[in-house]
Amino acid sequence: DQQVKQNSPSLSVQEGRISILNCDYTNSMFDYFLWYKKYPAEGPTFLISISSIKDKNEDGRFTVFLNKSAKHLSLHIVPSQPGDSAVYFCAATNSGYALNFGKGTSLLVTP
Amino acid sequence: DAMVIQNPRYQVTQFGKPVTLSCSQTLNHNVMYWYQQKSSQAPKLLFHYYDKDFNNEADTPDNFQSRRPNTSFCFLDIRSPGLGDAAMYLCATSRDRGAYNEQFFGPGTRLTVL
Repeated sequence: DQQVKQNSPSLSVQEGRISILNCDYTNSMFDYFLWYKKYPAEGPTFLISISSIKDKNEDGRFTVFLNKSAKHLSLHIVPSQPGDSAVYFCAATNSGYALNFGKGTSLLVTP
Repeated sequence: DAMVIQNPRYQVTQFGKPVTLSCSQTLNHNVMYWYQQKSSQAPKLLFHYYDKDFNNEADTPDNFQSRRPNTSFCFLDIRSPGLGDAAMYLCATSRDRGAYNEQFFGPGTRLTVL
């Protein structure tokens, strides 16, 4: 059963605007959450993470928000750039090594 | 550049014919992972090696095995591939186990089963 869900398979955003990618999880034992970015023909690369003791983590244009009560996290990209066009995977773990991934959201940033 | 390399990038095999996928790393990481990603699905961890210690996920079919002859190399063996084993296979490494150890992924091997 899918413990990490990304319900939007795709998202299109204009350059300069905000991209918001959403992720929901079902396992309340998850305590560390990550976002990976994947370009075609390449492996996923780590983007940003957040521990369950925080509700926000920011790194440049990328911010991840965590709402534990709703079991929801989101990735905000501001401003979006064409080079951000990629598939974004949400992942979660319970302090272990095993990453539970979502199916990914394909982001297209148009000029 | 230090990296995770997977060979071949594309592999075609016949139903029931054993196949081996290869992964190598120049990062000198202790942990190597194999993930399976079927079309439009999430990557799913099959197993990992922590140094020489093999760790199988509970729901990984017996058809899938792995070898790690040294720190740099790890192999995924599929003994009798079925049509349902067609997928992208991703290798990843991390310095140590635990959530805070970033996993570095290779580009994947896409397996087709005829």
